[in-house]
Amino acid sequence: GAGVSQSPSNKVTEKGKDVELRCDPISGHTALYWYRQSLGQGLEFLIYFQGNSAPDKSGLPSDRFSAERTGGSVSTLTIQRTQQEDSAVYLCASSSGLARHNEQFFGPGTRLTVL
Amino acid sequence: SQQGEEDPQALSIQEGENATMNCSYKTSINNLQWYRQNSGRGLVHLILIRSNEREKHSGRLRVTLDTSKKSSSLLITASRAADTASYFCATDNNAGNMLTFGGGTRLMVKP
Repeated sequence: GAGVSQSPSNKVTEKGKDVELRCDPISGHTALYWYRQSLGQGLEFLIYFQGNSAPDKSGLPSDRFSAERTGGSVSTLTIQRTQQEDSAVYLCASSSGLARHNEQFFGPGTRLTVL
Repeated sequence: SQQGEEDPQALSIQEGENATMNCSYKTSINNLQWYRQNSGRGLVHLILIRSNEREKHSGRLRVTLDTSKKSSSLLITASRAADTASYFCATDNNAGNMLTFGGGTRLMVKP
């Protein structure tokens, strides 16, 4: 595809429900990142996938958060038992290699609202 | 904790004026990148400056980097209303491979 896509674009859920957010990176990009952005704030790193290596999960805020990347392409971020403080825009990005050398291409984000 | 901190948090100028945004960081870096974000959605990469570079230009953008002061600045010359957006600096994390983003500067350019 032409760019990074994310779905859904908006998600409203009730507290306690599970949600799945999807990211389709740019074809051929080996690195994939998930970030969270609360209203008016900067980006908070969540998790990073690079090729077939074990993901860097150091940014996940709690064990309710998990992510997978199947076949080195599509990634799913799962939030279990959602809480109101999980409300944010969840952004996915991909790059062709190490972030320190390459720009990241961002998707449009998924706006999650937990009621 | 955030590696990059932008200053000011918000900036309002008239069209045609120059806009300067600053970024400070705490640890050593390999490079520093600036991104732009419209309407709280996806970010767009603007420019990357390496630690051995002091200044870089791209169109109306000028970025400087002072590694001794651990700071960078982004200058947008002859601003336009379409430059209204949030601007973030991002630094690499020597302990990993992700970028660490600052809190951003919200720029408003009035026509």
